[in-house]
Amino acid sequence: RKEVEQDPGPFNVPEGATVAFNCTYSNSASQSFFWYRQDCRKEPKLLMSVYSSGNEDGRFTAQLNRASQYISLLIRDSKLSDSATYLCVVNNNDMRFGAGTRLTVKP
Amino acid sequence: EAGVAQSPRYKIIEKRQSVAFWCNPISGHATLYWYQQILGQGPKLLIQFQNNGVVDDSQLPKDRFSAERLKGVDSTLKIQPAKLEDSAVYLCASSLGWGKGETQYFGPGTRLLVL
Repeated sequence: RKEVEQDPGPFNVPEGATVAFNCTYSNSASQSFFWYRQDCRKEPKLLMSVYSSGNEDGRFTAQLNRASQYISLLIRDSKLSDSATYLCVVNNNDMRFGAGTRLTVKP
Repeated sequence: EAGVAQSPRYKIIEKRQSVAFWCNPISGHATLYWYQQILGQGPKLLIQFQNNGVVDDSQLPKDRFSAERLKGVDSTLKIQPAKLEDSAVYLCASSLGWGKGETQYFGPGTRLLVL
């Protein structure tokens, strides 16, 4: 089993749609969690950290379920500019990246 | 504030040749990371430095890969000799500290193609 698993997608959604990504992790001792965004042929950039109580940043909501060992990212009112690959990252002693979920938002 | 700088941006070499990549982290960042990102995969940590000391190099193929950060600032990653499967983007990242919640800032990467 991979340490961090994501559905690779692609997710193709129309503008304005709500889309959700899940990510599962295998190490129950993992302590911190993040979502990074990576545009095509660009470097990853931090989108948001994921806190135990869940957190929201504008149209983005991240949640953590420690019991089931998964984190989620919800994007509301999708914009064309949200098109990217979303990387789930789990940190225990080092950062472990998922392979990413590709999102395409279409007009 | 200047970001993480990397050079070269692109490199094409033949297998069994050697190659070196350079990274200059954000000023004042104590921790520096090298990642390998193969097409279609997420970045994989190769090595992590804290100042000029190695914190984690468990996933570095030490028979062919080496890295150093002699003065605790910029760093070089070397591959000698290169194999076809080393074709990837090599990303350098830095963070202010070394806690598990630290935000890592990535450079633009070096795209390596081994023929």
